[in-house]
Amino acid sequence: NAGVTQTPKFRVLKTGQSMTLLCAQDMNHEYMYWYRQDPGMGLRLIHYSVGEGTTAKGEVPDGYNVSRLKKQNFLLGLESAAPSQTSVYFCASTPLRWVRGGIFTDTQYFGPGTRLTVL
Amino acid sequence: DAKTTQPNSMESNEEEPVHLPCNHSTISGTDYIHWYRQLPSQGPEYVIHGLTSNVNNRMASLAIAEDRKSSTLILHRATLRDAAVYYCILTAGANNLFFGTGTRLTVIP
Repeated sequence: NAGVTQTPKFRVLKTGQSMTLLCAQDMNHEYMYWYRQDPGMGLRLIHYSVGEGTTAKGEVPDGYNVSRLKKQNFLLGLESAAPSQTSVYFCASTPLRWVRGGIFTDTQYFGPGTRLTVL
Repeated sequence: DAKTTQPNSMESNEEEPVHLPCNHSTISGTDYIHWYRQLPSQGPEYVIHGLTSNVNNRMASLAIAEDRKSSTLILHRATLRDAAVYYCILTAGANNLFFGTGTRLTVIP
């Protein structure tokens, strides 16, 4: 298994340009996530998906859109990039695991990250 | 969302045990305690998790206070490869992982 992969690994954009980051997982996980990590900071959740065709906003969703057309792929789009979106982007996935009393979020498996610079 | 408090940084000598503390005074009954670590230039990786009882795995041990308001990640013999940022996270669902800034562990040879 390749686990969680991210494409591309690095990208430089000019302000106003658009791009799409691709996350793919081969573990048949239901949940997928996009995070951003700014220098010296922890990860912040941008958007997440609990299944194919469903997405939801996280902590910092503004300026980003996402799509989950296939279970194994989760796309993060920047329609008009801004310098404030310069960051390292991490994708993660986790299986759906039920325990007594409700859903238990299992271990998250992270990709290697995409380093994005917006000039 | 329940949040956690960790020291910004800690140091340890190589091959000595390390105890990384985490306070989570607002933890709810359904919150699991997860620990992840992030090596330089990599994505976070899972270390260990628990609910109420202490837990051991090949990487570390997790000691959970009886009132669950704090926990400690124990690395039994720190190696240079353990130098990383360690995150203590509470999870009770699909979308409420709050990583915070974690504890940066420096291992001294």
